[in-house]
This record gives sequence, C-alpha cells and structure tokens, in this order.
Amino acid sequence: GEDVEQSLFLSVREGDSSVINCTYTDSSSTYLYWYKQEPGAGLQLLTYIFSNMDMKQDQRLTVLLNKKDKHLSLRIADTQTGDSAIYFCAESRDNAGNMLTFGGGTRLMVKP
Amino acid sequence: DTAVSQTPKYLVTQMGNDKSIKCEQNLGHDTMYWYKQDSKKFLKIMFSYNNKELIINETVPNRFSPKSPDKAHLNLHINSLELGDSAVYFCASSPSGTARNYGYTFGSGTRLTVV
Repeated sequence: GEDVEQSLFLSVREGDSSVINCTYTDSSSTYLYWYKQEPGAGLQLLTYIFSNMDMKQDQRLTVLLNKKDKHLSLRIADTQTGDSAIYFCAESRDNAGNMLTFGGGTRLMVKP
Repeated sequence: DTAVSQTPKYLVTQMGNDKSIKCEQNLGHDTMYWYKQDSKKFLKIMFSYNNKELIINETVPNRFSPKSPDKAHLNLHINSLELGDSAVYFCASSPSGTARNYGYTFGSGTRLTVV
C-alpha cells in the first residue's frame, strides 16, 4: 500500500547476506512484521518486532527498526536458494484493530 | 491439520456469474479476514470480521459480501463477477488483544479467473 513501501526486486548469490528494506509512514505503528510468500502458497509469518525494540535476531534472520526514520529491514545471513520468495513487510496500528497494512513485496532471487 | 483452509484452490468462471469461496480456521482465533492479491502481488484488505464487528474496506464493491455462519468460518460471496475480479484471494485469521504479536495465519489462497 501507499503507507508501506518496499523495493520490488533483489538478487543475491548463494551464501551472501540479503537485506530487504521497508519504509512506513504511520508513527502509530505498534507491530511490524515480515512475511514470506513462496510460489503458489499463502503468506508465512517469519518474524515480528514491537515498536519499542530496535533489533531482533532469530537464527539467520535479523530485523532492524529505525523508528525515527520509519525504516524496517530484514537481513538474511548465508542466503540459500530456498530463500527465494517474495518478502512482505506489514504494520499494525493500535487505532486499526488487528488489521495489517502490507507493502508491495520484494522478490528475492538467490543465484547458485 | 491445516490451520486455515480455503476452498476451492482454483476457480474459473464466466463474467456475470455469482460464486462463493469458503474459509475455515481451527485455531480458535477471534478475527478473520479476506485479502485480495492482484497480478502485481499487491495485497489489499477487503474485510475484517469478528463476533461483534464487520469492518469493510470502503474501496470494496458491494458485489462482495462476507458471510460468517460461526466463529470458525468466513466465506466470501461475489455477485455479478467482472474481469477485474480476477486475483488470488487469501483468507487469514488472528487472535486479538495481547496476542497480536503472533500476526496472521494465512490460507493458501484461491486463484479466481473470470473469463
């Protein structure tokens, strides 16, 4: 959506790190999420971060949040071909109930 | 056991027809949703529904109507289908309140093609 923006495409080599970026506009965002969508499948929740945190690490995934700049990133260490997918960031706000607003998705291509 | 299941997975139909897509969740979640994903993979909320409240995205045509027979089901009924309705429709569910950090659980989608 217009409120959440991502770059469309990222290509990396297997074994490199991938960094997928996301910007959002609403400062009342309380939770921010990263979802992964493989071809022909639904969206799978990868990780989330609460707005009072600036970093979260979960195995190969590192999420960084710069609340001042309203910038969220997902770093995937040692990227594998199985990581090739579309990655969506999403935000939820206290004044929007449980509804999530999604970015347009970043297509990650991992080359052998 | 599939947590959020949608049927059918594929639906091809002619313009002007009326069709329904079914969704069921066995997670005990309070809230269910329908999202539309267009050909550019852009996801837009259509409806949010729990026991008490239906929230409709104002951009959704009134040809689309959610129907919830009980807490575990939220079906999507579409009247007078148009070519522009072709998309992948995702159902999702979530807990409410303090469990928001778990985000949504999505179904695997229904690819609707209107010809």
